[in-house]
Amino acid sequence: DIQMTQSPSTLSASVGDRVTITCRASQSISSWLAWYQQKPGKAPKLLIFKASSLDSGVPSRFSGSGSGTEFTLTISSLQPDDFATYYCQQYNSYPWTFGQGTKVEIK
Amino acid sequence: EVQLVESGGGLIQPGGSLRLSCAASGFTVSSDYMNWVRQAPGKGLEWVSVIDIGGSTYYADSVEGRFTISRDSSKNTLYLQINSLRAEDTAVYYCARGWGATGYWGQGTLVTVSS
Repeated sequence: DIQMTQSPSTLSASVGDRVTITCRASQSISSWLAWYQQKPGKAPKLLIFKASSLDSGVPSRFSGSGSGTEFTLTISSLQPDDFATYYCQQYNSYPWTFGQGTKVEIK
Repeated sequence: EVQLVESGGGLIQPGGSLRLSCAASGFTVSSDYMNWVRQAPGKGLEWVSVIDIGGSTYYADSVEGRFTISRDSSKNTLYLQINSLRAEDTAVYYCARGWGATGYWGQGTLVTVSS
C-alpha cells in the first residue's frame, strides 16, 4: 500500500499569512493526488484534484503543485474561513490512501 | 442537484453486523464510482471501499473480507454491509461520489461498536 505522510501535523498561522502544507508518497503516484479541507462535524470538501487542478468554486488563493512523490498545498493569503484540517489523498493505485491530516490553527 | 444521504448507523455489539445505505439523487449511482470513507472519532480520514462503473469492487486492507460494497440501481442507493464488527470500526461513515478525487459527500452516519 502507498503511505501518505503530511507535514506539519499542526500549523499555527495568522490571517494573511502564506501557508504551505507538504504531502509525501511512499512511491510515485504521478499526479494522482487530491487535497481536501474539513471543518469540525462536516464532510470533507474537495479543493484540488490531479495535484494542481482547482475544483469548481474553490478560491484562487488555494493552489497545488508537485508530481511523483512530493506535493504541496499553498494558501497564498490565509482567510478566517481557512482554519480547518487539510488532507491529501492518493488515487494512483488501490487501496487509495489519505495522509494523516494537517490542522491549521489561529496563531 | 447531487445529494447523498447516509443511514443505517447506530450502536452495535462487537461481532455484530450492520448495513449502511446511501441514497443518491441528482445522478444514478451506477453511472459513477461510489466510495465509502470513514473517520474514527478525533482521527483522520480512512478510505474504505469503492465500486466502479462496471461493478468491480476494491477495499482497504483493514476491512477486506468483512465489508461488502454494493449498489441497487432501481433504488439508486449504495450500500456497505459490515460484518464481524470490531471496536476499531467505530467511526462516521461517509459515502462519496467520484473516481479518486471525490467532490460529492454525504453528511455521514455514525457507527458505534461497543458492548
